[in-house]
Amino acid sequence: AQKITQTQPGMFVQEKEAVTLDCTYDTSDQSYGLFWYKQPSSGEMIFLIYQGSYDEQNATEGRYSLNFQKARKSANLVISASQLGDSAMYFCAMRDKTMDSNYQLIWGAGTKLIIKP
Amino acid sequence: DSGVTQTPKHLITATGQRVTLRCSPRSGDLSVYWYQQSLDQGLQFLIQYYNGEERAKGNILERFSAQQFPDLHSELNLSSLELGDSALYFCASSVGGRLLQETQYFGPGTRLLVL
Repeated sequence: AQKITQTQPGMFVQEKEAVTLDCTYDTSDQSYGLFWYKQPSSGEMIFLIYQGSYDEQNATEGRYSLNFQKARKSANLVISASQLGDSAMYFCAMRDKTMDSNYQLIWGAGTKLIIKP
Repeated sequence: DSGVTQTPKHLITATGQRVTLRCSPRSGDLSVYWYQQSLDQGLQFLIQYYNGEERAKGNILERFSAQQFPDLHSELNLSSLELGDSALYFCASSVGGRLLQETQYFGPGTRLLVL
């Protein structure tokens, strides 16, 4: 069965340091997509970055990059030069083809990141 | 701003009551998704509509129902409310819903409190 695991319930990081948020996934499909979302304390869910299973290069979006290790089934989010505004919950999600041919998102439990000044 | 709108932002009601949550997708998006986020269960997919028709069902209770109208806005109806229904309800939209790389864009959510 498809599953997303985020092993870090919470993290404290010093401002300006880089931070890596872990995400491992389980799927038997060869084609799948991996997403990261950010949820600040205000509650909205903000899309950050996407990685496809066939993408040869790691995805990057500004200060966000995805460390994609397909053989290990991991898709860790790296935030460079962390800022106070990065304090939020971060969710990893995966999409693959479900049995009924619909592509649904499967979500991890999230990691609460707190940036210390 | 994702372009997805949800109303109301907050809702306080009593057990046994019925409420309707409203969502307008981003311009051009045909798929709408509803999610429930509670403290103890994380983000749970409820239901998806595509161009007015139900496409996929997740962990949606029988007391809950949804529909998508011809103008593509969607409503989630929650009835016979229980204390455990208190949660943040998100609507998300995407272009079609059948592509792996398709991003779902979320609305700001409706925070429901059942007393």
